[in-house]
Amino acid sequence: EIVLTQSPGTLSLSPGERATLSCRASQSVSSSYLAWYQQKPGQAPRLLIYGASSRATGIPDRFSGSGSGTDFTLTISRLEPEDFAVYYCQQYGSSPLFGGGTKVEIK
Amino acid sequence: QVQLVQSGAEVKKPGASVKVSCKASGYTFTGYYMHWVRQAPGQGLEWMGWINPNSGGTNYAQKFQGRVTMTRDTSISTAYMELSRLRSDDTAVYYCARENIAAAGTGDYWGQGTLVTVSS
Repeated sequence: EIVLTQSPGTLSLSPGERATLSCRASQSVSSSYLAWYQQKPGQAPRLLIYGASSRATGIPDRFSGSGSGTDFTLTISRLEPEDFAVYYCQQYGSSPLFGGGTKVEIK
Repeated sequence: QVQLVQSGAEVKKPGASVKVSCKASGYTFTGYYMHWVRQAPGQGLEWMGWINPNSGGTNYAQKFQGRVTMTRDTSISTAYMELSRLRSDDTAVYYCARENIAAAGTGDYWGQGTLVTVSS
């Protein structure tokens, strides 16, 4: 079974800075079936990226995804105040599963 | 607009069962798989399985096989998730999520979540 490891656990940044989040899989993720979600306290997750690099409907272009195989990255080019949240990666092959999450907090 | 509205919070005793509903509106209910995901307090997301509302076919995560049953009632556009033999570590917020048709296995619209508390 694939294991997804997200790093860092917490990222402390200021608004306007660039955020780089990592998701590493224990084995290759087929066909780049890798997604990213954002979750704010008390809210349901929100789909940001699927297919490793395709933005979901309505997602601002400051969010971008990249990677293939076992190493994937979510980049937020310039953090807006509303971007401080927890981010999860997900592989969505036959048995979807999520990484442990990265919290992006205000420095 | 697409909406998924879940049933209210539940408190159950260990060993009991819980059934959570998810009423869909704003789209063709039978056209999209529905996934269920849970989140224990302060923890990450855990995928539980999906149901095909058109056929009733299901796919459960191995961890929940034998304890979870996902069903649907197409006449009222509602999906259900029933979890039996509850334990304290089943305490979590349970979400339904409509499958993103562009990427099977991802959820593009989510319910508001249902808190299930298991306590004696």
